[in-house]
Amino acid sequence: RKEVEQDPGPFNVPEGATVAFNCTYSNSASQSFFWYRQDCRKEPKLLMSVYSSGNEDGRFTAQLNRASQYISLLIRDSKLSDSATYLCAVWPRGTSYGKLTFGQGTILTVHP
Amino acid sequence: DTAVSQTPKYLVTQMGNDKSIKCEQNLGHDTMYWYKQDSKKFLKIMFSYNNKELIINETVPNRFSPKSPDKAHLNLHINSLELGDSAVYFCASSQELAGGSDTGELFFGEGSRLTVL
Repeated sequence: RKEVEQDPGPFNVPEGATVAFNCTYSNSASQSFFWYRQDCRKEPKLLMSVYSSGNEDGRFTAQLNRASQYISLLIRDSKLSDSATYLCAVWPRGTSYGKLTFGQGTILTVHP
Repeated sequence: DTAVSQTPKYLVTQMGNDKSIKCEQNLGHDTMYWYKQDSKKFLKIMFSYNNKELIINETVPNRFSPKSPDKAHLNLHINSLELGDSAVYFCASSQELAGGSDTGELFFGEGSRLTVL
């Protein structure tokens, strides 16, 4: 089983739609969780951290379910500019010298 | 100013050759990484250095040799290139917090696209 798994998609949605991605992780000792965004032929960039209580940043909501070992990202009112690959990432432990492990990414295309 | 810069951005070379990719960060971060992203877009860690010291080596063939002359630089040298080495190689850095934990936010360079023919 991969350490971090995502549905690769692609997800094709119209503008204005709500779309949700899930990501599962295998290491129950994982401490920190993130969503990164990667545009085509660009580097990944941090979109948002994921906190235990869930957190929201504008149209984006991230949630963590430790019992089931998954994190989710919800995008409301999708924009054309949201088209990208969304990578979930897991920090395996809370101390230093951990490694950020990425899922394979979920491709989102928002069309007019 | 570019925070994490890699050179070259594109590399096309023949099998069996040796090549290097350079990386520099001006963020003052303590930790630097090399990640490989293959054709299926899977981003996998290769190496991690903290203050010039190797801390993670993820079962990478010993044809790959990282070198960190100082904490702002992490270079990657690849010997005897193989077809399977074709990928995008990303350098990244992150900041260690007081107490030893890490923020978990990685700042990536733009990537170096390596094509082995």
